[in-house]
Amino acid sequence: DSGVTQTPKHLITATGQRVTLRCSPRSGDLSVYWYQQSLDQGLQFLIQYYNGEERAKGNILERFSAQQFPDLHSELNLSSLELGDSALYFCASSVAAAMGEDTQYFGPGTRLTVL
Amino acid sequence: AQKITQTQPGMFVQEKEAVTLDCTYDTSDPSYGLFWYKQPSSGEMIFLIYQGSYDQQNATEGRYSLNFQKARKSANLVISASQLGDSAMYFCAMREGQGGSEKLVFGKGMKLTVNP
Repeated sequence: DSGVTQTPKHLITATGQRVTLRCSPRSGDLSVYWYQQSLDQGLQFLIQYYNGEERAKGNILERFSAQQFPDLHSELNLSSLELGDSALYFCASSVAAAMGEDTQYFGPGTRLTVL
Repeated sequence: AQKITQTQPGMFVQEKEAVTLDCTYDTSDPSYGLFWYKQPSSGEMIFLIYQGSYDQQNATEGRYSLNFQKARKSANLVISASQLGDSAMYFCAMREGQGGSEKLVFGKGMKLTVNP
């Protein structure tokens, strides 16, 4: 158990819908990262938040947005869903140390299926 | 150009034998970190081992060790005494920069199967 929690574990929805994925980081970690894992794209970085502020952005679609709340949990919002958005979405957290290891620990993931 | 290359799509090893999983990387940043993660069929990503670009010694964590060859830009994972539970996907990843605000870039992964 990495200490990172994600809900829900599975999500099945229809095209055009909107869903919210939730992540709680490990105790003490200030940084949250979102990744998408799909068969064709592999593991892709989406976005990072540090202590409530957006820190880095990757290949995140405009239909997707995220935020980190004062209690440091984060939500990833996916809207106008398409079949191609079906994937495993991971949240990871780290202390975001300026130097050194700064390992990212991953949650169990949310498997999204868009029908 | 790919930043992380894992060329072996799959490997088979007998239980109790050692196995080496290959990873090469590409970066011009002098400061970077290399990570290995394991993803069993259940789906979670499990951190195994870390190697910093300035680390003088190869990293070790229990049965896992990292064969870090900086000049060749390779960071191969060595699993000693394979166990059936080691059967999984293995991903090599790199973080460029000092850390704190850097994403991980992952390779495509490779599937390890441990046979009894």
